[in-house]
Order: sequence, then C-alpha cells, then structure tokens
Amino acid sequence: GQSLEQPSEVTAVEGAIVQINCTYQTSGFYGLSWYQQHDGGAPTFLSYNALDGLEETGRFSSFLSRSDSYGYLLLQELQMKDSASYFCAVFGNNAGNMLTFGGGTRLMVKP
Amino acid sequence: ETGVTQTPRHLVMGMTNKKSLKCEQHLGHNAMYWYKQSAKKPLELMFVYNFKEQTENNSVPSRFSPECPNSSHLFLHLHTLQPEDSALYLCASSHARGQGGADTQYFGPGTRLTVL
Repeated sequence: GQSLEQPSEVTAVEGAIVQINCTYQTSGFYGLSWYQQHDGGAPTFLSYNALDGLEETGRFSSFLSRSDSYGYLLLQELQMKDSASYFCAVFGNNAGNMLTFGGGTRLMVKP
Repeated sequence: ETGVTQTPRHLVMGMTNKKSLKCEQHLGHNAMYWYKQSAKKPLELMFVYNFKEQTENNSVPSRFSPECPNSSHLFLHLHTLQPEDSALYLCASSHARGQGGADTQYFGPGTRLTVL
C-alpha cells in the first residue's frame, strides 16, 4: 500500500519563503506530485518529480529524494493568493494509474 | 477553466432520493476518476475508468454506482445515501497508463453533496 504524511497547517507572512514537507511509504514509486486547492475550488496540478533533485517553476519549486522517500514544495515570495491547501501525491505502480494523496497542508499567508 | 466540468455544482437530497452526478472532460483523456473529499480527510479515490472500462473500485458501497458511456463522460448514480455521504465529489481525468502524462490529473470543480 501507500501512505503519505504532511503537516496539517502552516502559517507564514507575505513575502516570506515556506517549505511544505511530504514523506511517503509505497511499494512501488514512479513520482511525487503536488496539487493546490483553494477553498471551494478544484485541486490543480503544480509539479511532478520523477527524479531526485529540485524542479523550479516560477515562485514554486519541488524537491524529491527517492532514497529518503521525501519531498517538499517550496513557495517563495509568498502572496496572499497562495493561501490554499497543498497536497502531495504519489504516482505508483499500483493497479490502474492512481494517485494516492496525502491529507493536505493548509497554508495561511498573513499580511 | 480546467477542461473538466461537473454538474450539478450543489445537490441536496434525502436518503430515499435517487440522483446522478455528471462529469465531462474536453481534454482528450482516456482515464477518468471519482474522488470523495470530506472535511479534514485526504482525497479518497472511489472509482477509476481506463478506456471506458472500470479498473478500480476502492471498496465503495453499492449505493454509489458509476457509469462511463465513453471516454469523455462519467456519471455517479446515487441512491439511498446516508448523511455521512455528504462531501465534495470530485471528478478527474488523465491520459491512461502507458501514455505520456498519465501522472497528471485534471480535476473538475466538484459537486457539493448534502444528504439530509
């Protein structure tokens, strides 16, 4: 089976940098994804890491260490609109082509 | 606009009602999914369809019945639901496994279901 752990809540101020960690356990691993979900909205894809290292996309970066079963999402120059829930998800070799999601981290950005 | 639409956006139903949720994707994908999202719980995968064939039923009660008539449309038929079934029901689509991009799912806005 697969399981993921991430903090339930993180608070930061506008302009700061925040890191949201995710650890996972899986019997088969292809990659780690991150999704953002605003209140009342749909989850939207942010990034996908299949290889170790850091992937940068604008203010957001995602990191993966397969040997440590660990990844993180790094948000820089925080803006109020970044207040949302962030989910990590494992894409594995289980039946079908399912993603297994973590419980989500609620990020609150304060002025 | 995500390319995945869901109707209705909100639904209130009694425990004896029968209703259906509809999902449509305009992205040319061949895999579609139903998820349940309850407050303070992870997204729970319910059903997976690849090329119109159901490939996963994640121990979902029979009062939820999916239907996938073609790769663009997905339905979730509801009957004799319980109050604890109240949640946000999300539809998603992706390329099928073996195709590039199978790892990325695109979600619809969801149907907020309340069972009285």
